[in-house]
Amino acid sequence: QQQVKQSPQSLIVQKGGIPIINCAYENTAFDYFPWYQQFPGKGPALLIAIRPDVSEKKEGRFTISFNKSAKQFSLHIMDSQPGDSATYFCAASGNYGQNFVFGPGTRLSVLP
Amino acid sequence: EAQVTQNPRYLITVTGKKLTVTCSQNMNHEYMSWYRQDPGLGLRQIYYSMNVEVTDKGDVPEGYKVSRKEKRNFPLILESPSPNQTSLYFCASRAPSGRVTDTQYFGPGTRLTVL
Repeated sequence: QQQVKQSPQSLIVQKGGIPIINCAYENTAFDYFPWYQQFPGKGPALLIAIRPDVSEKKEGRFTISFNKSAKQFSLHIMDSQPGDSATYFCAASGNYGQNFVFGPGTRLSVLP
Repeated sequence: EAQVTQNPRYLITVTGKKLTVTCSQNMNHEYMSWYRQDPGLGLRQIYYSMNVEVTDKGDVPEGYKVSRKEKRNFPLILESPSPNQTSLYFCASRAPSGRVTDTQYFGPGTRLTVL
């Protein structure tokens, strides 16, 4: 099964809050799990990514948590800022990175 | 400046009129790919290319063609566009090492409307 499920569809938080976006997959052949950030009128840009040999990866205010047994992974944004307001996509790919499957996206709004 | 460029950025056409959306990258990337983005569906991969003259279908290839005659260019061809191909299209490329962990760079998008 190629599908990647993502929730919630939209999210509103206050500045300083910690939005959490969740994704789930079914294909156990997936070996690479990136998150992309997209601002209106722009193409997606890689934010952070993880491979299943680790359970957590942190880059600045962004953290991915990965649960291999549950086939779930999530993005946490610490101390969120209005500039983080964007659409976030999780994705998954096999080891050779030929075919990427994306989640439907989460529109995040961070209120000042 | 390293970038992926797409042309045109906006296109309105009519059903059945062949069109080509160009994609070019200046980063010497071997891997290139086309996606379409639709509300509630996220990005879906149309075609990808691991190198010159090597292309393969993604998840939604029906109604599209691609070619990869040179490393820098990867045009998307709609031989007979239909209204269900109205969408936002993105081209992307990835570093020459081909590692899945290399960053995939996206172009600015082409908004296509088929009447």
